[in-house]
Amino acid sequence: GQNIDQPTEMTATEGAIVQINCTYQTSGFNGLFWYQQHAGEAPTFLSYNVLDGLEEKGRFSSFLSRSKGYSYLLLKELQMKDSASYLCAVTANQAGTALIFGKGTTLSVSS
Amino acid sequence: DAGVTQSPTHLIKTRGQQVTLRCSPKSGHDTVSWYQQALGQGPQFIFQYYEEEERQRGNFPDRFSGHQFPNYSSELNVNALLLGDSALYLCASSLLLPGNTIYFGEGSWLTVV
Repeated sequence: GQNIDQPTEMTATEGAIVQINCTYQTSGFNGLFWYQQHAGEAPTFLSYNVLDGLEEKGRFSSFLSRSKGYSYLLLKELQMKDSASYLCAVTANQAGTALIFGKGTTLSVSS
Repeated sequence: DAGVTQSPTHLIKTRGQQVTLRCSPKSGHDTVSWYQQALGQGPQFIFQYYEEEERQRGNFPDRFSGHQFPNYSSELNVNALLLGDSALYLCASSLLLPGNTIYFGEGSWLTVV
C-alpha cells in the first residue's frame, strides 16, 4: 500500500529553525514534493526532490533519503507568515504523476 | 501568465443534486488532475486527464466523473451529492511527465446540505 506520515502539529517562535519530517512507503518512487497551504487557500509549491540530498531555496530547504523513505523540510528564520499547513506528497510508479499526500503538518509560529 | 483558475469559488448544494466544477490549467500545461480535500486532511487524488482522456483514477465512486476539452480545460461532475462530498475541490495542472512542477488552483468550496 501507500502511506505518507508527518506530524500533525508543530509550534515554533519567530526567528527559530524548524524541521518537519515526512516518511513514506510506496511501491516505486518518482519524486517528493513539499507544498505550503495557508488556511482556506490552495497549496503552493515549495520544493521537489527526486535524488538523495539537500535542495536549498532561500529560507527553505528540503532533504531526501530514498533508501530510508524519508524527507524533511527545514524552515529557517521563521516569520509569522510561515504559520500554515505543510504538505508532503509523493509521486510513485503505480500512481504516475498523481500526487499522494500526507495529512499535512500545521505549523504555528508565535512571537 | 494566468495560473490555474477554477470556478465557482464557493457553492452550496442539496443532497441528491448534481454539481459541475470547472478548471483552466496554467498556460502551456496539458495535464489536469482533480483532488478532494476534506477539512484537516491532505488532498486526495480523484482523477487525471490528458489528451481529453482519463489516464488515472483514485479511489472515488463513479458518481465522480470528468471531462477535458481540446483547450485543456476540464470539468469535474459529481452526481447524487452526499453530505460527505462537502470539501475543497482542487484542480492541479502540469505537463504529463513526472518531475514537472504541479500547480494548484484556488479551489472550489462545496457545501452539501
